[in-house]
Amino acid sequence: QKEVEQDPGPLSVPEGAIVSLNCTYSNSAFQYFMWYRQYSRKGPELLMYTYSSGNKEDGRFTAQVDKSSKYISLFIRDSQPSDSATYLCAMGLERKFYFGSGTKLNVKP
Amino acid sequence: DAGVTQSPTHLIKTRGQQVTLRCSPKSGHDTVSWYQQALGQGPQFIFQYYEEEERQRGNFPDRFSGHQFPNYSSELNVNALLLGDSALYLCASSLMSGNQPQHFGDGTRLSIL
Repeated sequence: QKEVEQDPGPLSVPEGAIVSLNCTYSNSAFQYFMWYRQYSRKGPELLMYTYSSGNKEDGRFTAQVDKSSKYISLFIRDSQPSDSATYLCAMGLERKFYFGSGTKLNVKP
Repeated sequence: DAGVTQSPTHLIKTRGQQVTLRCSPKSGHDTVSWYQQALGQGPQFIFQYYEEEERQRGNFPDRFSGHQFPNYSSELNVNALLLGDSALYLCASSLMSGNQPQHFGDGTRLSIL
């Protein structure tokens, strides 16, 4: 069993839709949780970072962590074609990071 | 504010050769981690350097080695290249103090023929 599971997609939505991206994990010791966005031929770009259960909002993005269920989500409101990218979840434990395989998102104009 | 920079951007090698990849961390960061990202996969942790020493290592063979310099920049060396080493190699930097997130460069795309 992989430590971090993420649906690879692809996920295709119309512009303006609310997008929900999810990851599950097996190690209850993970301390902090991140979402990265990766455009083609680019490195991952940090979107959200949190270390507690609950919600964290930043503009159109909301990260949700449920440690009891070992489940994290990223919501994107009013999605734009520029949001089309691969979204990677990552978990941190003692400064070591574990990544999901990424979900490819396509937002259609 | 300069972010993480990596060189070269692309590299083509043949099986059995050796390669060195370079990384300069984001200004103010003291820790460098290296990742291998195969096509369609998430980054896989190779190792992490802090204070010029390897602090953590993922499940990679000894053919993968590294170095960190006093200015915090780092190199990744891979010996005896295999076809399976073809991937995007990413460098990420962070601060060791506190649980700080990592910031990534755009990577070096390594192709093995």
